[in-house]
Amino acid sequence: AQSVAQPEDQVNVAEGNPLTVKCTYSVSGNPYLFWYVQYPNRGLQFLLKYITGDNLVKGSYGFEAEFNKSQTSFHLKKPSALVSDSALYFCAVREPGNNRLAFGKGNQVVVIP
Amino acid sequence: NAGVMQNPRHLVRRRGQEARLRCSPMKGHSHVYWYRQLPEEGLKFMVYLQKENIIDESGMPKERFSAEFPKEGPSILRIQQVVRGDSAAYFCASSPNTAGDEQYFGPGTRLTVT
Repeated sequence: AQSVAQPEDQVNVAEGNPLTVKCTYSVSGNPYLFWYVQYPNRGLQFLLKYITGDNLVKGSYGFEAEFNKSQTSFHLKKPSALVSDSALYFCAVREPGNNRLAFGKGNQVVVIP
Repeated sequence: NAGVMQNPRHLVRRRGQEARLRCSPMKGHSHVYWYRQLPEEGLKFMVYLQKENIIDESGMPKERFSAEFPKEGPSILRIQQVVRGDSAAYFCASSPNTAGDEQYFGPGTRLTVT
C-alpha cells in the first residue's frame, strides 16, 4: 500500500532563509507525487506535482521539489522563505492504477520575521 | 471558473442524528473524492466516485457511511447515527480525469458531534 512519511512535525525558518520540507514515500511502481499547502480553516491548495520527466519540478509561489528515486524522496524547497509561507504542508503520493491520494501527516512551517 | 464548493462549512449534530455533506466539483470535472481529516492528522481517503458510480470505497467505514454522485446535482456524503468520533473536517476534491491529474480541494465541512 502507498504511504508517505513527513518526519518533522514543525519546521522553523527565518524569513529570507532557504526552506526545506522533507517527504519520503513508499509505493509499488512509479509514483505520482504531490505537494499541497493548507492555511488555517481552509482547504488544500495544490503547489506542484511530479509525474515523469525532469526530477526538479517547479510550482506555485516560488516552490520547487526534487524527485529522488533512489532515496524515495520528494523534498519541497523554497530558496527564500516569506512570513506568508507559514502554513501546513502536505506531501501526497498516488500509485498508478488507483486514484486515491495517500497523505503524510503534514508539516507546520513557521517563518520567523 | 468557480472552485470546488462544499456546504455547509460547519455542521453541528447531536449523537444519533444524520449528517449530509454536499460537494459540487469544479466545472468540467467528473471525478469526485472524499477525504477525512481528524485533528492533528493528515487527510485519509474515503471514497472515489464518478457520475452515478462508486469507483473505490476502500476508505469508507463499513457501517453508517455512504456516498453518491448522481447524474444531476452535487455529490453527497451521508453519515447516519453520528457518534462523537465522526467529528472531523471532511474535504471533497475533484479532477477532470485520472491520468496524473492533481485533485482540487474544496474548503471542507467541519462536522462537530455533540
